[in-house]
Amino acid sequence: NAGVMQNPRHLVRRRGQEARLRCSPMKGHSHVYWYRQLPEEGLKFMVYLQKENIIDESGMPKERFSAEFPKEGPSILRIQQVVRGDSAAYFCASSSAGGGLNEQFFGPGTRLTVL
Amino acid sequence: SQQGEEDPQALSIQEGENATMNCSYKTSINNLQWYRQNSGRGLVHLILIRSNEREKHSGRLRVTLDTSKKSSSLLITASRAADTASYFCATDAGDNDMRFGAGTRLTVKP
Repeated sequence: NAGVMQNPRHLVRRRGQEARLRCSPMKGHSHVYWYRQLPEEGLKFMVYLQKENIIDESGMPKERFSAEFPKEGPSILRIQQVVRGDSAAYFCASSSAGGGLNEQFFGPGTRLTVL
Repeated sequence: SQQGEEDPQALSIQEGENATMNCSYKTSINNLQWYRQNSGRGLVHLILIRSNEREKHSGRLRVTLDTSKKSSSLLITASRAADTASYFCATDAGDNDMRFGAGTRLTVKP
């Protein structure tokens, strides 16, 4: 039973390019959360999605960032026209339907470096 | 990955009392963080303590870190009903691999 998968693990982009980060939740999980971690800082919540719906995007920057979780396939976090300040580790977590406490499982993260 | 242990698993107190939660871990770390999660919501970062720090305060929160014992504690003073949530510790060894404990479910009764 595979855990939460994220790819790529490392992504290098030049300023102005697009970054696409993928997250495959655990089998049977329909809730996905995305977090950003800057060096030496804690995780910061970005967005919470259920299948085909954005539930809470209060932590998402208003511009250049978008997220989706289609009916089929992984959740995608898309960053358009990346800037150096976007360099960070991006983690996703998944939970089962119902989304109770103590049941978020985290992926290994994607480290984005913007040159 | 989920690692580390928190105790107690569940804690129920009256409003106004202090709540103490503990976290133990196994590997060397760069820093340790505490998070809070309300039901069905994302994690909210509370406080980060670096490996060379022993104690840190933020409002009603006090965090201690003992690297020799590989343990940390989170103290919430003068608790409120709104503090009811799950609290997680997470360790960061600087290898892009956050390790979370299983969490402590805190219930504060009004």
